[in-house]
Amino acid sequence: DTAVSQTPKYLVTQMGNDKSIKCEQNLGHDTMYWYKQDSKKFLKIMFSYNNKELIINETVPNRFSPKSPDKAHLNLHINSLELGDSAVYFCASSQEMGAYEQYFGPGTRLTVT
Amino acid sequence: AQSVTQLGSHVSVSEGALVLLRCNYSSSVPPYLFWYVQYPNQGLQLLLKYTSAATLVKGINGFEAEFKKSETSFHLTKPSAHMSDAAEYFCAVDAGNMLTFGGGTRLMVKP
Repeated sequence: DTAVSQTPKYLVTQMGNDKSIKCEQNLGHDTMYWYKQDSKKFLKIMFSYNNKELIINETVPNRFSPKSPDKAHLNLHINSLELGDSAVYFCASSQEMGAYEQYFGPGTRLTVT
Repeated sequence: AQSVTQLGSHVSVSEGALVLLRCNYSSSVPPYLFWYVQYPNQGLQLLLKYTSAATLVKGINGFEAEFKKSETSFHLTKPSAHMSDAAEYFCAVDAGNMLTFGGGTRLMVKP
């Protein structure tokens, strides 16, 4: 069984569109995250959710909106996509916040044309 | 504020040679430190972590790292490189419930 899964794996869309990426973890973890990895492999946290509550919201445009329907799911909705949104988006989860191992999903490669 | 610097965006070694990937951090509080590995087209996987117990930390696949507070370093080593070690390696620091990653080091292993 996959611990952290994301769908879709690839997403190609045009500027201005709205898209969503889904994430599910079956580890029973309390905390989930979204990261963005740019073309130079730089990883930056976008959001963190603990027990369905937003904990961290780094300087991310409000076109990005995370939604956590339950502890096992953290979806990312993106409005009015821009060229600069092209990146690989990783979902991750951990038992709790702090010095706990984060388990990463396989990533979603978003290409905006 | 916390930050991580990985010296050398690319490191190339011969199979069987020592692997040394460098990581320096800055943190205003005692940090938790991590090394993650990313194989092509995959997510990140934890190699090892330091959480203020032993300063020499052993991880998976024969990797280890030593926490040196005086040097603010957490370098990753492996005595003998395998072809399968070729990947991107990320050092990360958690000093406030937020993981901050370094820029990554691509390890290439030559036969």
